[in-house]
Amino acid sequence: SQTIHQWPATLVQPVGSPLSLECTVEGTSNPNLYWYRQAAGRGLQLLFYSVGIGQISSEVPQNLSASRPQDRQFILSSKKLLLSDSGFYLCACKARRPVSTGELFFGEGSRLTVL
Amino acid sequence: AQSVTQLDSQVPVFEEAPVELRCNYSSSVSVYLFWYVQYPNQGLQLLLKYLSGSTLVKGINGFEAEFNKSQTSFHLRKPSVHISDTAEYFCAVSDKGAQKLVFGQGTRLTINP
Repeated sequence: SQTIHQWPATLVQPVGSPLSLECTVEGTSNPNLYWYRQAAGRGLQLLFYSVGIGQISSEVPQNLSASRPQDRQFILSSKKLLLSDSGFYLCACKARRPVSTGELFFGEGSRLTVL
Repeated sequence: AQSVTQLDSQVPVFEEAPVELRCNYSSSVSVYLFWYVQYPNQGLQLLLKYLSGSTLVKGINGFEAEFNKSQTSFHLRKPSVHISDTAEYFCAVSDKGAQKLVFGQGTRLTINP
């Protein structure tokens, strides 16, 4: 089964600083990859998803960007953080082989606090 | 577009009591349905899933859910809860073949001794 690694686990950054959150996947190839954000006391908001290397779909216009430089690597970035970027960021993976059953596997999350 | 409604944002119950967490989704011909659990400061863990076949699905930790196509519901149940079941529970739905999973807003289950 898939294993999703996220780092850093916790991050405290000043407003206006850059951001890079990394996610890597083991146990599958050519997966769909997703970035979700979970604000305090709220549900999951899909930010980006990717069906292949270099292919990024953005769900919500905002201060963030995503990249997929390798098949099992997904990076979430920002050039200048805003206070509203604070939250719990979750990377998720959906296997496509042998047959996708639609379920996502999640990493342990990265908690970002912007001060 | 697919949408998911979890009718209760918080559900407090006493230990060893039964619990039902409600989930409704917007109508679709063919869907996959999921329940996830999230413990504090952790990622989401799959509890159970409905893909096809029997409408009663059993998952981990003694949870089960029933798919009701006519009512477009997928309610989660457990006959006797434990303190360790305290967590956030998310219902999710995907149209078959879709790239994205749509999540409900979550239900916070609190177990009181």
